[in-house]
Amino acid sequence: GQNIDQPTEMTATEGAIVQINCTYQTSGFNGLFWYQQHAGEAPTFLSYNVLDGLEEKGRFSSFLSRSKGYSYLLLKELQMKDSASYLCAVMDSNYQLIWGAGTKLIIKP
Amino acid sequence: ETGVTQTPRHLVMGMTNKKSLKCEQHLGHNAMYWYKQSAKKPLELMFVYSLEERVENNSVPSRFSPECPNSSHLFLHLHTLQPEDSALYLCASSQDITSGANEQFFGPGTRLTVL
Repeated sequence: GQNIDQPTEMTATEGAIVQINCTYQTSGFNGLFWYQQHAGEAPTFLSYNVLDGLEEKGRFSSFLSRSKGYSYLLLKELQMKDSASYLCAVMDSNYQLIWGAGTKLIIKP
Repeated sequence: ETGVTQTPRHLVMGMTNKKSLKCEQHLGHNAMYWYKQSAKKPLELMFVYSLEERVENNSVPSRFSPECPNSSHLFLHLHTLQPEDSALYLCASSQDITSGANEQFFGPGTRLTVL
């Protein structure tokens, strides 16, 4: 079966750095997505990785290792507004997104 | 503003009611999706439409009936629902369904409660 695993909840301090991990087992691979979802709002796109390595976009970076079936989202200089759920999703061989359950990130002052 | 709108935002219905959820995308996309999001569970893909044709129906009960009259509009018709159908229903769109870098844009969702 297809499976995406990520921690249920994480806590970090304002101004710090946090890394959210995602491991996956899917039928084929056409890229990995990270989305942010604030409570009661729509998920919004953060990043897409299809090749191994690190993609940096401002305070957020995303890393992929296809051989390990592993990705992480790195958030730097945390702000209170970063409190949200972070969803990992993998596009399989049929170009369908397989989703993780999301990681709820709590930022404390 | 994500370019994808959904109405209503909240809906409470009895098990014998019939209601419809509406989604509209203003992005010129060719693909539209219905997802179900339950607390602490992964997003569940329900239906996929590409150029107004249904291309995916992930074993969804027949009490959920989708309709896509054109590439900008998507409906989800609900009838004789069960309390376990209470969830957030999200609509999304993307440029197409056959490319990898295929970011999906989501609407704000309809919070459905079945009594």
